[in-house]
Amino acid sequence: QKEVEQNSGPLSVPEGAIASLNCTYSDRGSQSFFWYRQYSGKSPELIMFIYSNGDKEDGRFTAQLNKASQYVSLLIRDSQPSDSATYLCAVTTGTASKLTFGTGTRLQVTL
Amino acid sequence: DAGVTQSPTHLIKTRGQQVTLRCSPKSGHDTVSWYQQALGQGPQFIFQYYEEEERQRGNFPDRFSGHQFPNYSSELNVNALLLGDSALYLCASSLRGHSGNTIYFGEGSWLTVV
Repeated sequence: QKEVEQNSGPLSVPEGAIASLNCTYSDRGSQSFFWYRQYSGKSPELIMFIYSNGDKEDGRFTAQLNKASQYVSLLIRDSQPSDSATYLCAVTTGTASKLTFGTGTRLQVTL
Repeated sequence: DAGVTQSPTHLIKTRGQQVTLRCSPKSGHDTVSWYQQALGQGPQFIFQYYEEEERQRGNFPDRFSGHQFPNYSSELNVNALLLGDSALYLCASSLRGHSGNTIYFGEGSWLTVV
């Protein structure tokens, strides 16, 4: 079992729709959870992080964490073509800042 | 305020050669981590340096080694290059004991082994 699992996609959504990206993790000791956006040929860019159960909103983005189910998700409202990228889910365990990544979900926002 | 800087951005090496990649962390950060990202995969943790010592290491062979200097900058060295070492190498800087949005990535170094 992989430590962090994501559906590789591609996930295709029309412009203006809500994109829902999901991630599960295996280590119950995981403490912080991150979503990174990565455009082709570029480095990962942090979108959001969350460490408490529930929802965290930042603009068009909402991260949702359910530690009991070991599940974290990212919702993108009013999806734009510029949101087309690979979205990487990552977790940390303990106080060290070592990130364990999933393989990423490719999102395509269509016109 | 400079972010994380990496050099070189692209390089091509031959199998068996050695390569050194460099990273300067974000101002105020004291911890540097290195990741390898193969095409179509998520970044894989190589190792982390803090106070000039390797603190954590991922599942990478001894051909991968590193160093951290007193000014917190870091080098990643890979010896006896294999074709499979072709990847994007990412440096991440952070502040020890903090989490959340304090982990920043550089633009990466693209290594091609031929």
